[in-house]
Parts: sequence; structure tokens; C-alpha cells
Amino acid sequence: AQTVTQSQPEMSVQEAETVTLSCTYDTSESDYYLFWYKQPPSRQMILVIRQEAYKQQNATENRFSVNFQKAAKSFSLKISDSQLGDAAMYFCAYRSYTGANSKLTFGKGITLSVRP
Amino acid sequence: NAGVTQTPKFRVLKTGQSMTLLCAQDMNHEYMYWYRQDPGMGLRLIHYSVGEGTTAKGEVPDGYNVSRLKKQNFLLGLESAAPSQTSVYFCASSYGYSPLHFGNGTRLTVT
Repeated sequence: AQTVTQSQPEMSVQEAETVTLSCTYDTSESDYYLFWYKQPPSRQMILVIRQEAYKQQNATENRFSVNFQKAAKSFSLKISDSQLGDAAMYFCAYRSYTGANSKLTFGKGITLSVRP
Repeated sequence: NAGVTQTPKFRVLKTGQSMTLLCAQDMNHEYMYWYRQDPGMGLRLIHYSVGEGTTAKGEVPDGYNVSRLKKQNFLLGLESAAPSQTSVYFCASSYGYSPLHFGNGTRLTVT
């Protein structure tokens, strides 16, 4: 079974600065998807970014980018120019490429606070 | 376009009572999921369905049952609620390998 590990329960960043959230995973599969989801206090789950394992290029969405290291099974999220609205819980997630097992496995999450 | 709708949003049960959580999606998605979220535990999969009439167990299925009689609906049942089932429950759906779309969650308290 796949596992996702987020070892840092909390992080803090100064507004306008850059912060990196870490995530590692364990799998024996070669094809899969990785995601970062954001959960603000409203409780809504918001997709931030996704990465297909077969793509070597790191995904980027505006101020959010990932550092995907397939051999190391590492998938970190970098938030540039942090804003107060970035304060939330962030979850790293893994999804198998196999249809019958196509469920999302989450890490335990990290709470990000942004200092004004 | 409503997306994924969960009802109710909040519920308080007494130990031993039963209830059903309803999830409805209007995106014609094949896959549907029920997760529970507990502090420090992330989201854990309870049950999921890869199509109408099919269900499968996830990571924490004990004490829950599900049904997918219609493609757009996925019901989560608690036959005899226990305090350990106090949690926030999320329903999600997806089409193929597209990202999951989540409902806004149901906060359940069992006293």
C-alpha cells in the first residue's frame, strides 16, 4: 500500500517570503499522480497543483511550484511571495494510475501560518 | 453547476443512533469516495465506488456501510454511532484520473 508522509505539522512564513512544504511517499508503482490540496478554515478542499509521475518537468501554477524527485520519492511544494490568504492546512496526496485502485491517499497535513 | 453536494452540513447523534449521509454529484463522475478527517490524521478513506452498483472498502471501513444505487449518489450509513465516529466527513468524486472534486464536508458529533 502507498503511504504519504508529511513530517512537519506546522510551519510559519513572513508575508511576501518563500516557503517550502515537504512531502515524501512510498510506492512500488512507476506511474502515478501527486497532488497538493489546500484546506482553509472554511474546510473546503482546494486543488493547488498536480504532477504526473511520467513528466520530468516540475509543475507550476502561478506562485506555486513543486520539486518532484521521483527517485527520492519526494514532492515538495514551494509557495513564492506568500500572502495572508495562503494561511491554511496543506495536504500532499498520492493517486495510483491503476483505475481499480484510483483512490487518493493523503498525508497528515501541515498547518501553514503567514505572518503580516 | 452544483458540483458535489453533501447533506447535512452538521449533525449531532447519541451513541447507538443511526444516520445516513448523502452525497450527490452532477458531473456524471464514475468514481465516488467517502473520507473522514480527524485532527493530526489527515483524510482517511472509508469506502469508495468505481461505478454504479459497486462499492469497495477503504482504509477505515469498520462501523460504516455505503450504497451506490444511482450513479450520481453515494450514501454513507452509520448503523450504531459511536463517539469514535465523531469527525468531519468528506465526499468526493472524479472522472477517470482527473483530480477529485470535494464536497464541503459534514461535521458529525456523537455524544
